[in-house]
Amino acid sequence: GENVEQHPSTLSVQEGDSAVIKCTYSDSASNYFPWYKQELGKRPQLIIDIRSNVGEKKDQRIAVTLNKTAKHFSLHITETQPEDSAVYFCAAVNAGNMLTFGGGTRLMVKP
Amino acid sequence: ETGVTQTPRHLVMGMTNKKSLKCEQHLGHNAMYWYKQSAKKPLELMFVYNFKEQTENNSVPSRFSPECPNSSHLFLHLHTLQPEDSALYLCASSQGSTGELFFGEGSRLTVL
Repeated sequence: GENVEQHPSTLSVQEGDSAVIKCTYSDSASNYFPWYKQELGKRPQLIIDIRSNVGEKKDQRIAVTLNKTAKHFSLHITETQPEDSAVYFCAAVNAGNMLTFGGGTRLMVKP
Repeated sequence: ETGVTQTPRHLVMGMTNKKSLKCEQHLGHNAMYWYKQSAKKPLELMFVYNFKEQTENNSVPSRFSPECPNSSHLFLHLHTLQPEDSALYLCASSQGSTGELFFGEGSRLTVL
């Protein structure tokens, strides 16, 4: 089955700095990669996703890149703000339509 | 409000009790999921239902028993649980198995 590794497990940045979270996946047939954000005490919510026919996607301060050859994808947050503090989960969906989450990254943005 | 509601929000039970968690989605989705969230495994898939049929059982102990009477409702029946089963249980739904997951607020379970 699919295996998704996520790093780092915790990340602390100063407000205004950039944050990068990286994920690798094992199944080369995986074709859809969503990212979910879970604020403290709240439910996970989709923030951005990317499909395997695209190398990069951007939505305001958030961007995701995908390297199919290396089987890794990354979330980039620029100009971080305190409200970006949360746990972020990457995920990969394989050809069998099974979604596998990474282990999560706790991002702390210090004001 | 994402259209997925879970009850109860908090549950404390002894190891010999029988209780159930309930999930209801008002989004017209055809797939529903149970996830377990704990410090050790942040988002661990337990069960998947597509069109009321169970399509995934991720090696979950039999003390957890899911039930999906229709595509809008999902239950998790709990029986003879262990303290290590204490966790947040999240229900989610999606349109198709590759659609965006919409999560409920979760049921915080404590097993004494």
